[in-house]
Amino acid sequence: EDQVTQSPEALRLQEGESSSLNCSYTVSGLRGLFWYRQDPGKGPEFLFTLYSAGEEKEKERLKATLTKKESFLHITAPKPEDSATYLCAVQAFNTDKLIFGTGTRLQVFP
Amino acid sequence: AAGVIQSPRHLIKEKRETATLKCYPIPRHDTVYWYQQGPGQDPQFLISFYEKMQSDKGSIPDRFSAQQFSDYHSELNMSSLELGDSALYFCASRDPTDTQYFGPGTRLTVL
Repeated sequence: EDQVTQSPEALRLQEGESSSLNCSYTVSGLRGLFWYRQDPGKGPEFLFTLYSAGEEKEKERLKATLTKKESFLHITAPKPEDSATYLCAVQAFNTDKLIFGTGTRLQVFP
Repeated sequence: AAGVIQSPRHLIKEKRETATLKCYPIPRHDTVYWYQQGPGQDPQFLISFYEKMQSDKGSIPDRFSAQQFSDYHSELNMSSLELGDSALYFCASRDPTDTQYFGPGTRLTVL
């Protein structure tokens, strides 16, 4: 069964304190792995798509990496505005749907 | 840039009533998805449409139905509403890289 597990569930960081979020996955043929940011009561906002092991993508303070079993979202020198829930999702080759993890709730304090 | 549009943004219904949620995908996106997100939970896939045909189906109750129209907008029809149907309902549309872009959601409250 396709499955996504994210850790930690919650993370509190001081502004400027870099860290990483983990997304472990099991999927029958990875079509793509997606990272989203979600603010309370709002729709998930697309961040990155990764397709194959070894791939990396960067955007401002965020960098996403992918291996055959997991993905990391690295946050460098975070700011309070980076506070949100970060969702990881996978899509298998034989389906259209995204399977989401339960997310990591990040809080960055000034 | 144009985004996915959903209406209404908020909806309050009584038990056993019917609700219709609408979704307007990003222009030139041909696939529409519906997800349900309960409080504190991750989004759960309900159903998707490609070129007006159902392309995939998830854990969508038999009380719910959906369709995609010739202008590519989609509607999710929910009947015999139950308290447990209270959730955020998101629509997403897909670009050629398989990336799904989500709308702002409809918050459904069933009393």
